[in-house]
Amino acid sequence: DAGITQSPRHKVTETGTPVTLRCHQTENHRYMYWYRQDPGHGLRLIHYSYGVKDTDKGEVSDGYSVSRSKTEDFLLTLESATSSQTSVYFCAISEWGLSGNTIYFGEGSWLTVV
Amino acid sequence: SQQGEEDPQALSIQEGENATMNCSYKTSINNLQWYRQNSGRGLVHLILIRSNEREKHSGRLRVTLDTSKKSSSLLITASRAADTASYFCATGAEGAQKLVFGQGTRLTINP
Repeated sequence: DAGITQSPRHKVTETGTPVTLRCHQTENHRYMYWYRQDPGHGLRLIHYSYGVKDTDKGEVSDGYSVSRSKTEDFLLTLESATSSQTSVYFCAISEWGLSGNTIYFGEGSWLTVV
Repeated sequence: SQQGEEDPQALSIQEGENATMNCSYKTSINNLQWYRQNSGRGLVHLILIRSNEREKHSGRLRVTLDTSKKSSSLLITASRAADTASYFCATGAEGAQKLVFGQGTRLTINP
């Protein structure tokens, strides 16, 4: 357990509405990530953060924004949700060791856009 | 685009048999990792192998890495029903803060 909490765990929203997913960690990790998981695509990186107010885009960042005002919280916002953003969203943190970084995932947030 | 590609996409075996899954990747890596995902849950880290290692063991797991072929395999020996899950490989480049995941192998262990 890497001390990662995602909220909400399940949400149904209407097309065009804004949605914010929250990731909270308790162990002061510097790096945090948002992935989405879809059948046939595996896990794809949306955005990641390497510190407070320091974020960068992943491979599928269009339509998403992120914010990190505190070390422990990393927010993912869909400004205007679309049906193509129906997915499972995973927050993750990384721990760096001598061999590289290991990713630890939260339990996921299931988002349905109708 | 995905870096790691797992093969097969799905595997079904009898309990007690060994399960082998393969992962191929395209670019130079610093390390390769395997993760397990139970249905409806997040991914759990299983094992990491560095680019200068050829084989690594952890309990019933054995991972091999062939950098000349850009491929890795995960062997689960003496499979159990609890091993039923999806397994993903992920690659990390030198100095990279990001891992790139494949699409996974869905493993089913039949009692």
